[in-house]
Amino acid sequence: GAGVSQTPSNKVTEKGKYVELRCDPISGHTALYWYRQSLGQGPEFLIYFQGTGAADDSGLPNDRFFAVRPEGSVSTLKIQRTERGDSAVYLCASSTGNSPLHFGNGTRLTVT
Amino acid sequence: GQQLNQSPQSMFIQEGEDVSMNCTSSSIFNTWLWYKQDPGEGPVLLIALYKAGELTSNGRLTAQFGITRKDSFLNISASIPSDVGIYFCAGQPMRFGAGTRLTVKP
Repeated sequence: GAGVSQTPSNKVTEKGKYVELRCDPISGHTALYWYRQSLGQGPEFLIYFQGTGAADDSGLPNDRFFAVRPEGSVSTLKIQRTERGDSAVYLCASSTGNSPLHFGNGTRLTVT
Repeated sequence: GQQLNQSPQSMFIQEGEDVSMNCTSSSIFNTWLWYKQDPGEGPVLLIALYKAGELTSNGRLTAQFGITRKDSFLNISASIPSDVGIYFCAGQPMRFGAGTRLTVKP
């Protein structure tokens, strides 16, 4: 596709459930980033992949959060035992390395 | 961690006015980026700055990379209603400011 695609666009889940958020980066982009954005705030870095490996996961808030990118393209952000405080827009971005990021439109996660 | 302080938090201006917003950091960055975000969408890159002291324009937008590498500003000239949105600075790909919310009154 022409841009970064994130699915679903909206996800409502109950507290304690497990969720998966998907990101399809721009074809050929080796770098992939996940961010979390709360209302009225800037994007907060979570994790960065270079190819298949997580080059920097220092932004993951705790061990309930995990992300994979097994084939170096599509990535999945996984959240276990969701809490109400996890409610936010989760943004994915990709780039060719040192080039600026191209963002998707995000997945709005609501934990009830 | 590295903190980016972006100001002002919000601006209300009349169409046609010029706008200036800035970003400062306690740490040195090698790259400064300015993004705009519309509701329901991801941030879109406006201007990228790679060298200290660099001044770059993109249409009505002008941005500068501070000589100390700890700050940057973005100017918008002759604002129009579609300039409405939230503007973010990013000191490097992984760190964003809290944003400046711009409202333009016709």
